[in-house]
Amino acid sequence: EDQVTQSPEALRLQEGESSSLNCSYTVSGLRGLFWYRQDPGKGPEFLFTLYSAGEEKEKERLKATLTKKESFLHITAPKPEDSATYLCAAQGSGGGADGLTFGKGTHLIIQP
Amino acid sequence: DADVTQTPRNRITKTGKRIMLECSQTKGHDRMYWYRQDPGLGLRLIYYSFDVKDINKGEISDGYSVSRQAQAKFSLSLESAIPNQTALYFCATRDSLGNTEAFFGQGTRLTVV
Repeated sequence: EDQVTQSPEALRLQEGESSSLNCSYTVSGLRGLFWYRQDPGKGPEFLFTLYSAGEEKEKERLKATLTKKESFLHITAPKPEDSATYLCAAQGSGGGADGLTFGKGTHLIIQP
Repeated sequence: DADVTQTPRNRITKTGKRIMLECSQTKGHDRMYWYRQDPGLGLRLIYYSFDVKDINKGEISDGYSVSRQAQAKFSLSLESAIPNQTALYFCATRDSLGNTEAFFGQGTRLTVV
């Protein structure tokens, strides 16, 4: 069974304090690893897709990386507006529903 | 206008009532999904559809049904609502490649009393 585990569940940082969020995955035949941002009461907003180990993508203060077992979302010098829940999803090659399995998310709070 | 639109955004209904949540998209995607989100449980797949004639059960389909009225429209019904169906519901779409990102609607917050 495909599994995605995100850690920590919650993280509180000071503005400017860099850190990383972890997404560990166990899927058969990874076809894609997705990161989303979700604000309270809103739908997940797509951030990145990573397809193979060693791949990296960046957007503003965010950088996503991928290994064969986990993905990291690095946040550099975060600002209060980066506060949100960050979701990770992995897609395996098995299963009919595109095999997209979501983690439970990391709730990030950036304090001014 | 949003690419994926859900109606209603909020709904309170009584136990035993039938309720329909609607989703429409302008992305032109073939694949549409209904997810449920509960605190501490993450997003769970209820039903999905790869095209107008295709309907498939997801992880937690009991108590739910769906209808794909057109490529752009996918509705979720609760035949007889119960309190543990209180949750945030999301519709999502993906293109037919199957390994690209999903686009989500803004969600419907459903409360069953």
